[in-house]
Amino acid sequence: QVQLQESGPGLVKPSETLSLTCTVSGGSIIGHYWSWIRQPPGKGLEWIGYIYYTGSTTYNPSLKSRVTMSVDTSKNQFSLKLTSVTPADSAVYSCARGYDYFDYWGQGTLVTVSS
Amino acid sequence: QSALTQPASVSGSPGQSITISCTGTSSDVGSYNLVSWYQQHPGKAPKLMIYEVNKRPSGVSNRFSGSKSGNTASLTISGLQAEDEADYYCCSYAGSSTYVFGTGTKVTVL
Repeated sequence: QVQLQESGPGLVKPSETLSLTCTVSGGSIIGHYWSWIRQPPGKGLEWIGYIYYTGSTTYNPSLKSRVTMSVDTSKNQFSLKLTSVTPADSAVYSCARGYDYFDYWGQGTLVTVSS
Repeated sequence: QSALTQPASVSGSPGQSITISCTGTSSDVGSYNLVSWYQQHPGKAPKLMIYEVNKRPSGVSNRFSGSKSGNTASLTISGLQAEDEADYYCCSYAGSSTYVFGTGTKVTVL
């Protein structure tokens, strides 16, 4: 059974960079696409982007200028960086497998942007 | 790239059938058979219920079915059960390798 686990700081200051890592267990990161999705408190889901295990990426146009994703196949991990964050970026950030649909999800991690 | 439109809430009694709509545009739902549906219980990760409009992943009850007509996709839950009470989100491919989620629907079992 594939499992995903997000990790990273739960509190980020405005204008700084949000950095999260997703560790995949129970399966290989190789051969699959991996996505990041966020959900502001009390609101709906927003697709952030995806990365292929080769490192190829596609981002949500609304976030593209601030997002960078990377992958480390040796650690079975992939990562998200979001720069110049504001309180509007406060959300539960989840990693998931796939792109056309998302069949495995992490539990999500709450990131709050506040000084 | 605007969020797909879903009703804020839908309710039904146990045993009944309910349908959740997901309305997009000719640039997303209307152009691609790449609509998926997710069930999310409070504090839990979303669960894939339907993919590619009407396909069910292994392990998902056949009480859940999906369809699409024009720019609107639908998720039908038949034989409604208490455990179906949750939030439901649709998602569609929107072209140029991008994806858009729906606004979400809270399903209440009366």
